[in-house]
Amino acid sequence: AQSVSQHNHHVILSEAASLELGCNYSYGGTVNLFWYVQYPGQHLQLLLKYFSGDPLVKGIKGFEAEFIKSKFSFNLRKPSVQWSDTAEYFCAVVGTGRRALTFGSGTRLQVQP
Amino acid sequence: DTGVSQDPRHKITKRGQNVTFRCDPISEHNRLYWYRQTLGQGPEFLTYFQNEAQLEKSRLLSDRFSAERPKGSFSTLEIQRTEQGDSAMYLCASSLASSDPRLTFRANTEAFFGQGTRLTVV
Repeated sequence: AQSVSQHNHHVILSEAASLELGCNYSYGGTVNLFWYVQYPGQHLQLLLKYFSGDPLVKGIKGFEAEFIKSKFSFNLRKPSVQWSDTAEYFCAVVGTGRRALTFGSGTRLQVQP
Repeated sequence: DTGVSQDPRHKITKRGQNVTFRCDPISEHNRLYWYRQTLGQGPEFLTYFQNEAQLEKSRLLSDRFSAERPKGSFSTLEIQRTEQGDSAMYLCASSLASSDPRLTFRANTEAFFGQGTRLTVV
C-alpha cells in the first residue's frame, strides 16, 4: 500500500520568510511524487511533479521540491513566500502498478503581510 | 473553460435521500477519478475509470455508492440512502493515459481536478 505523511498541519509565516513543508511517503517500489495546491475557494492545482531524473524539481510560482529516496521524502520549498501563497498544500504519491494518487492530509499555509 | 467541471457545486439533502453528481472531464482524457475530501483531510480515492471501464474501487466505496461512465466521457456518482457521514467534498479528476504498453506509468499519472461538489446531509 502507498501512504503519505505531512508533518506540518498549519504553518504561519510572514512575507519574505522561507518555507519548507515536509512530506514522507511509504511505498516499496518506484514512485511518482506530486505537490498540489488549493487556494481558498479554488480547485486543486498541480505545483510540481517528480517522475525521474534530477531529484530537485522546480514548479510554478518559485516552488521547488527535492526527492530524497533514502529518506522517502519529497519536501516542498520556497525561498521567499508571498501573501498570495496562502493556501493548502497537499503532497501525493502514486507507485508503480497503481493508478490513483494517494494524498497526505495537507498543510495549511498562512502568510501574514 | 476547458478544465474538469462538476455539477452541482453544492448539494444539501436530507438523510435517506439519493443524490447524483456529474463530472465532465477534459475532453481528450481517458481516465477519470472520483475522490472524497473531508475537512482537514486530503482527498481520498474512491474509484477510477479508464474509458467506460471501472477498473478500481476503494474500500471506502460502500454498496450505497455507484459510479458510471457510460460512454467513456462524463461520469456520474450516485449515493443512495445518504447518511450524515457522507457529508464531504466530492472531487473528480481526469488524466490522459496512453494505451501504448511501451510507455511507462510515468507518463500517465498527472491528474487535473474539478472544483468539486460539496454535499451536506442534514
